[in-house]
Amino acid sequence: DTEVTQTPKHLVMGMTNKKSLKCEQHMGHRAMYWYKQKAKKPPELMFVYSYEKLSINESVPSRFSPECPNSSLLNLHLHALQPEDSALYLCASSQPGQGSSYEQYFGPGTRLTVT
Amino acid sequence: GDSVTQMEGPVTLSEEAFLTINCTYTATGYPSLFWYVQYPGEGLQLLLKATKADDKGSNKGFEATYRKETTSFHLEKGSVQVSDSAVYFCALTGNQFYFGTGTSLTVIP
Repeated sequence: DTEVTQTPKHLVMGMTNKKSLKCEQHMGHRAMYWYKQKAKKPPELMFVYSYEKLSINESVPSRFSPECPNSSLLNLHLHALQPEDSALYLCASSQPGQGSSYEQYFGPGTRLTVT
Repeated sequence: GDSVTQMEGPVTLSEEAFLTINCTYTATGYPSLFWYVQYPGEGLQLLLKATKADDKGSNKGFEATYRKETTSFHLEKGSVQVSDSAVYFCALTGNQFYFGTGTSLTVIP
């Protein structure tokens, strides 16, 4: 099974709301990632978890808060977002390690609209 | 630093035409190289990969060869179909994953 699942598929939220995105994988991968993708652009790395510990935070604003409760789950908590945060949010997983040859497997994404 | 340079799009081809999407890279060390495909409204799917020089990755009629001497990993398909319409991303692993800018392909009947 090479599936990464993400919920919800679509999310519309106001700038004062608090919401969470969820990601799950059962491939035994110990690295998980959050990416943000704007239309017609490549994914931009936001966070990397390796062995359930945050290893990379690409200077993401604090209104995005990641959480990795266990090796299969990854959450992204959202609070006080701005309209420019509207995008497709992608979760991915892989075997861990810098310089690894391992491919990343992506979920279908959550389409977020901030009103 | 590591980077990927990908052919600008969009590319429009007729069905059964030959496809080439160019990808070149800059990397220290010996990266692995990947092609991902993104269909409209979906996430990225791994299309093929190559982990060392002269490796050829192939899948669903697509092929790419890891050329160290030219630092390239061009994607090719001999006969495209309408269902191949998507955005294609070249990527490499260095200290992290690096994506190219993506090439949009539209295949018309």
